[in-house]
Amino acid sequence: GENVEQHPSTLSVQEGDSAVIKCTYSDSASNYFPWYKQELGKGPQLIIDIRSNVGEKKDQRIAVTLNKTAKHFSLHITETQPEDSAVYFCAAMGNYGQNFVFGPGTRLSVLP
Amino acid sequence: DTAVSQTPKYLVTQMGNDKSIKCEQNLGHDTMYWYKQDSKKFLKIMFSYNNKELIINETVPNRFSPKSPDKAHLNLHINSLELGDSAVYFCASSQGGYRGNEQFFGPGTRLTVL
Repeated sequence: GENVEQHPSTLSVQEGDSAVIKCTYSDSASNYFPWYKQELGKGPQLIIDIRSNVGEKKDQRIAVTLNKTAKHFSLHITETQPEDSAVYFCAAMGNYGQNFVFGPGTRLSVLP
Repeated sequence: DTAVSQTPKYLVTQMGNDKSIKCEQNLGHDTMYWYKQDSKKFLKIMFSYNNKELIINETVPNRFSPKSPDKAHLNLHINSLELGDSAVYFCASSQGGYRGNEQFFGPGTRLTVL
């Protein structure tokens, strides 16, 4: 089955700096890679996703890159703000949502 | 107008009891899920269910059972609660299909077993 690893487990950055979280996956059949943000006391919420036919996707300060050959994908947050502080989860799954697995999460702290 | 709702938000109970957590989604989605999040924040899928198929994570004890009275509801029943069942449980839903992978999560139910 699919196995998703995520690094680092914790990350502290100064406000305004960039943050990068990396994930690797094992199943070459996975084609859909979402990122979820979980704020304290809430459920995870999708912030960006990418499919295997695309190498990079950007939405304002957030971008995701995918290297399907190496089976890794990364989340990039630029100009971080205190409200970016949360736990971030990557996930990998098939195009129809099958065989999905979440990574273990990264706790991001943005220091003012 | 909450998309995915769960009740109760907090549940404190004694070992050996039987309890249920309710979940409702008003998004018209076809697939619903239950997740367990432990103290280290690991999110583990327990069940996924649509009107055709129940997929059970093989690591989930059979003391846990999902029950779906209709497409908008997927309740979680837990029998003979154990200390290790203490966690936050999340319900989620998705439309399914090629463009329907996004999962919408409920606010979670924090279960404490004493």
